[in-house]
Amino acid sequence: GENVEQHPSTLSVQEGDSAVIKCTYSDSASNYFPWYKQELGKGPQLIIDIRSNVGEKKDQRIAVTLNKTAKHFSLHITETQPEDSAVYFCAASKTSASKIIFGSGTRLSIRP
Amino acid sequence: KAGVTQTPRYLIKTRGQQVTLSCSPISGHRSVSWYQQTPGQGLQFLFEYFSETQRNKGNFPGRFSGRQFSNSRSEMNVSTLELGDSALYLCASSLGSERGETQYFGPGTRLLVL
Repeated sequence: GENVEQHPSTLSVQEGDSAVIKCTYSDSASNYFPWYKQELGKGPQLIIDIRSNVGEKKDQRIAVTLNKTAKHFSLHITETQPEDSAVYFCAASKTSASKIIFGSGTRLSIRP
Repeated sequence: KAGVTQTPRYLIKTRGQQVTLSCSPISGHRSVSWYQQTPGQGLQFLFEYFSETQRNKGNFPGRFSGRQFSNSRSEMNVSTLELGDSALYLCASSLGSERGETQYFGPGTRLLVL
């Protein structure tokens, strides 16, 4: 069935360093890959997304890469700041379906 | 533009009761999806409504149901509550004109079943 695996489950980095979160999806028909950030007591907030016709997308300190052949996609956060501490979810969906399949989440902690 | 709103934010119920949660989508959005979030199972898709019709459904028992009104507001109902239904219930809205669109989430309703 449809599945998205996410690693690592927890990640601690020094402030100013980079953080990388990796995901793998199983459904080759998936063509839309959003990333969400969830802070305590809040709903998931979209931070960046990528479609299957693009290999990389960047928005300031955040970038996402997609390898369709390997069915891998990754989130890169550079120059991490304390406010980047949160749980991050990768997800996948396809135009033929409404639902989003989420990864299990990565708890990112930024050490001062 | 106002975001997705959900009411109530917190709810405590006892086993066997039923509960109704409400979601108001972003203005102009016609699709509303519901998700259940638990520490053990993560974020799981419940169902999606578009133009007052259920367009997609996840793998949840029939105790979980929903509906959508003509103004795109949606309600979710859980009957005969079980302890395992304790979770954060999230609503997300999108334009709905095509699938695979960006979904924007509300803050959620935290349900505790005692």
